[in-house]
Amino acid sequence: DIQLTQSPSSLSASPGDRVTISCQASQDIGHYLNWYQQKPGKAPKFLIFDASILETGVPSRFSGSGSGTHFTLTIDSLQPDDIATYYCQQYDDFPLTFGGGTKLEIK
Amino acid sequence: QVQLVESGGALVEPGGSLRLSCAASGFSFGDYYMTWMRQAPGKGLEWVASISFSGRTTHYVDSVKGRFTVSRDNAKKSLYLQLNSLRADDTAVYYCTRNPEYGSSSILGVSDSWGQGTLVIVSS
Repeated sequence: DIQLTQSPSSLSASPGDRVTISCQASQDIGHYLNWYQQKPGKAPKFLIFDASILETGVPSRFSGSGSGTHFTLTIDSLQPDDIATYYCQQYDDFPLTFGGGTKLEIK
Repeated sequence: QVQLVESGGALVEPGGSLRLSCAASGFSFGDYYMTWMRQAPGKGLEWVASISFSGRTTHYVDSVKGRFTVSRDNAKKSLYLQLNSLRADDTAVYYCTRNPEYGSSSILGVSDSWGQGTLVIVSS
């Protein structure tokens, strides 16, 4: 199974900050990586697929990059509404697997 | 708009069975792969099972193989998950998700829409 390791596991940042979350795959997954946002008590929301393609309607302050084994989710100019846990997920092979999540808090 | 509504979650004893349903609306259900995900209390997300357009092809995470069965009824626009031989570690919120043909992967592993989830608690 492909393991995804996210770092950091938690993060505190101030409004307006640039935030970066990493996701490392245990083997080459090309660009087959998604990012999701989950707010407390809510279902996850799909943000990015193919490592860097934003879903329609997702604010442009979100961006994704990377390929192979190392991927990054960046939030430019952090907003209070961005408080959530973020998950990466690979779809290069079954079983589909998720990273452990990064909990983002506002300072 | 796309709507996925899960139901069927309950408190069940270890070894018991349950059937989860997901009613879909706002899109052409038969044109999409569908997937069940789950999330144990306070834990991360876990993929459980996926099913092809027609229902002929299914995939499962190893921990549920032989115990869970995913199925669909395209005429009723519904997705199902039969849970048998339930264990305490199956306790979770179960989400129904839609898989569009995004990207170039042969695996339709993008879940672009999620239901609100249904809670399954396995406990005596």
